[in-house]
Order: sequence, then structure tokens, then C-alpha cells
Amino acid sequence: AQSVTQPDIHITVSEGASLELRCNYSYGATPYLFWYVQSPGQGLQLLLKYFSGDTLVQGIKGFEAEFKRSQSSFNLRKPSVHWSDAAEYFCAVGGTNAGKSTFGDGTTLTVKP
Amino acid sequence: DTEVTQTPKHLVMGMTNKKSLKCEQHMGHRAMYWYKQKAKKPPELMFVYSYEKLSINESVPSRFSPECPNSSLLNLHLHALQPEDSALYLCASSRFTGGRAEAFFGQGTRLTVV
Repeated sequence: AQSVTQPDIHITVSEGASLELRCNYSYGATPYLFWYVQSPGQGLQLLLKYFSGDTLVQGIKGFEAEFKRSQSSFNLRKPSVHWSDAAEYFCAVGGTNAGKSTFGDGTTLTVKP
Repeated sequence: DTEVTQTPKHLVMGMTNKKSLKCEQHMGHRAMYWYKQKAKKPPELMFVYSYEKLSINESVPSRFSPECPNSSLLNLHLHALQPEDSALYLCASSRFTGGRAEAFFGQGTRLTVV
């Protein structure tokens, strides 16, 4: 069965500081990996995805993520956080053998002025 | 058009009411989803439609009844709900099922059962 672990429930960073959100997955074949962001009371928006190829993927809003198969990880990074990045972040895994995507429990990002 | 539109945005209903949530997409996606999301929790999959046929029902109580009238529309009919059903209900669509494509989410319907 597929699963996703986001070890950090809540992260607080200062505006302008760098950010890394962790995501570890379990999947028996080649995974399809996603990061979504959700602002309060809103739907989820895709930040970036990894299907194959270059293991460093670029997304919207200045985010990037690196797929590391040996560590079963897909961590999200941003070099300089803006106050508007405060939100809930979800990592998800799917694949050709999966009936659906599985979401992690999410990480809440707070940005200090 | 990369939008998934959900109506209504907010809904308050009594436990004896019947109401429907609506979802529409015009991206040509053949997979559509209903999720339920409680505060500070990830979206919880309820139903998946693939090519207008129900392909996954995650053991959802029968008081929730999905319907896919055509490839662009998805409804969720609600009847005799309980207060614990109060949540944000999200609709999503994707090119394929199975987690092989990104999902596009609507803004959700905030449902309160009184």
C-alpha cells in the first residue's frame, strides 16, 4: 500500500529565510509525486509534480523539489519565503498501479515578519 | 480554462434536508473526484468517477449519493446528514485516474449541518 509521511506538522520561518518541507513516501513502483498548497478556506493548488526524468523539479511561486529514490523522499524547498507563502502544504503520491493518490497529513507553514 | 467550479460556496442544512453540491470542469478531464476535508486534516477521498462511471467508493455512508450526468459535471446529493458531516467538500478533476496526473481542485463548499 502506498503512504506519505510529512514529519513536520508545523514549521515557522522568518520572511526572507529559506524553507524546506519534508516528505517521505512508500510506493512499490515508480511513484508519481505531487506538492499541493492550500490557503485557509480554499481548494488545493498544485505547486509541482514529479513523474520521471530530472530529479530536481521547478514549480510555481519559486518552489522546487528534489526526488531522491534512495531516501524515498521528495522535499520541497524555497530559497526565500514571502509572507504570502503561509499556508498548508500537502505532499501526495500516486502511480500507474495506484487507484488513487494518497496525501500526507500536511505541514502548516507560518511566516514571521 | 483550468478551473473547477463548485457551487454553492457555503451551505447550511438541517438534518432532514435534501441538498446537492455541484461541480463543473471544462478541461476535458475524464476523472472526477469528491473529497471531504475537516479542519487541519488532509482531503479524504470519497468517490472517484472515471469516464462518467463510479470507479471508487471509499465506503461512504449512503446519505451521500454521487452522480455524474456527463463528462463535465459532478453532483453530490446529500440527505439526512449528521452534524459530524460538517466539513469542506472539495471537487477535483484530472486527466487520468490512479494518481498518474495532477488534480485540479475547486474552491470547495463549506457545509454546516445543524
